[in-house]
Amino acid sequence: DAGVIQSPRHEVTEMGQEVTLRCKPISGHDYLFWYRQTMMRGLELLIYFNNNVPIDDSGMPEDRFSAKMPNASFSTLKIQPSEPRDSAVYFCASSLDPYGYTFGSGTRLTVV
Amino acid sequence: DAKTTQPPSMDCAEGRAANLPCNHSTISGNEYVYWYRQIHSQGPQYIIHGLKNNETNEMASLIITEDRKSSTLILPHATLRDTAVYYCIVRSANQAGTALIFGKGTTLSVSS
Repeated sequence: DAGVIQSPRHEVTEMGQEVTLRCKPISGHDYLFWYRQTMMRGLELLIYFNNNVPIDDSGMPEDRFSAKMPNASFSTLKIQPSEPRDSAVYFCASSLDPYGYTFGSGTRLTVV
Repeated sequence: DAKTTQPPSMDCAEGRAANLPCNHSTISGNEYVYWYRQIHSQGPQYIIHGLKNNETNEMASLIITEDRKSSTLILPHATLRDTAVYYCIVRSANQAGTALIFGKGTTLSVSS
């Protein structure tokens, strides 16, 4: 299995632009998670899905952030409009309870 | 979720055992103890988890005290590649409605 696949690996965008991060979970996993990591705040849970349904989005910082999971093999995290304070590494993870999470390699987002 | 307390940093000589402690004094009966690690610039990696009994796998051993209020992750023969941030997390056995919440972890530095 190729693991959790995230794209792009790096994204540099200008403030105000729309950014879309993508994630392909491990086949058969029924949970998908989006996390954000910064030096100041560490690893923060943004949102997670179970069987493609959002369960908890209380970690989504603002209305500028949205996430979708149209099917079991794909999820997106969108930021519109982006701001410099959104610069961070965004991780996607998937799991099959009760086993551990498998994380992707992350997308490093820089908003200038 | 119950909160955990870990030392911010630890040092270990290469080839020696690394014993990473974690306090979780408010853990409840159905909560598991999970350990993850994050090597610089990579996504967190699952190491091991347990409920009551000690656990061992190819990466590490997990020792949970009888009262379950603390645990120790043991890397029997630390190598330079084990230098990472180690996270101890407790989470309900019923995953629905919960997700892993990462704290600050312990930064383990393995030196030759």
